[in-house]
Amino acid sequence: DTEVTQTPKHLVMGMTNKKSLKCEQHMGHRAMYWYKQKAKKPPELMFVYSYEKLSINESVPSRFSPECPNSSLLNLHLHALQPEDSALYLCASSQAEIGGHRAYEQYFGPGTRLTVT
Amino acid sequence: GENVEQHPSTLSVQEGDSAVIKCTYSDSASNYFPWYKQELGKRPQLIIDIRSNVGEKKDQRIAVTLNKTAKHFSLHITETQPEDSAVYFCAPITGGGNKLTFGTGTQLKVEL
Repeated sequence: DTEVTQTPKHLVMGMTNKKSLKCEQHMGHRAMYWYKQKAKKPPELMFVYSYEKLSINESVPSRFSPECPNSSLLNLHLHALQPEDSALYLCASSQAEIGGHRAYEQYFGPGTRLTVT
Repeated sequence: GENVEQHPSTLSVQEGDSAVIKCTYSDSASNYFPWYKQELGKRPQLIIDIRSNVGEKKDQRIAVTLNKTAKHFSLHITETQPEDSAVYFCAPITGGGNKLTFGTGTQLKVEL
């Protein structure tokens, strides 16, 4: 299985709502990522988990809260979002080395298209 | 932060022609250089990558060349086909480890 899955595919939420995005992979990867992609722009890294620990937070506002409950799952909890947070949220996974500096291919999920009203 | 520039931003070629996209980066510690293809409404997919100990890598119609001294790497597509039409992103590793920084993207259009 070389696929990363994401749910839901589409999400519309109000600024006072709380929702969660989910990502799953069964490739045995120990690094998982959240990216945000606005229309006609490149993906921007938000968070990196390595061996279920948060290793990179790209100064993301606290209204985005990541969670990695186990090595196969990655969640992104959303609360009090703003309309400018509307975007495609991509999850990715890759192999990882503890303390290593070798980079590995990242496999992307299909994304969740989020609209904040 | 790390600076990754990609040129051109749009590229239109005739079917069968070659296409070249260039990516420049600023992090001298970068050691992994992938290219991703993203079709409209789809996920980015890796099409080729190269590591810093290699100068060139080929996979059928696609090749990547790396000039680590000048800090740039290029994507070469030969015998282009309409299905090559997509946005292409370079995404060198920056800051060590597994952090990819995506370039601004190149919209490639292959015309019949």
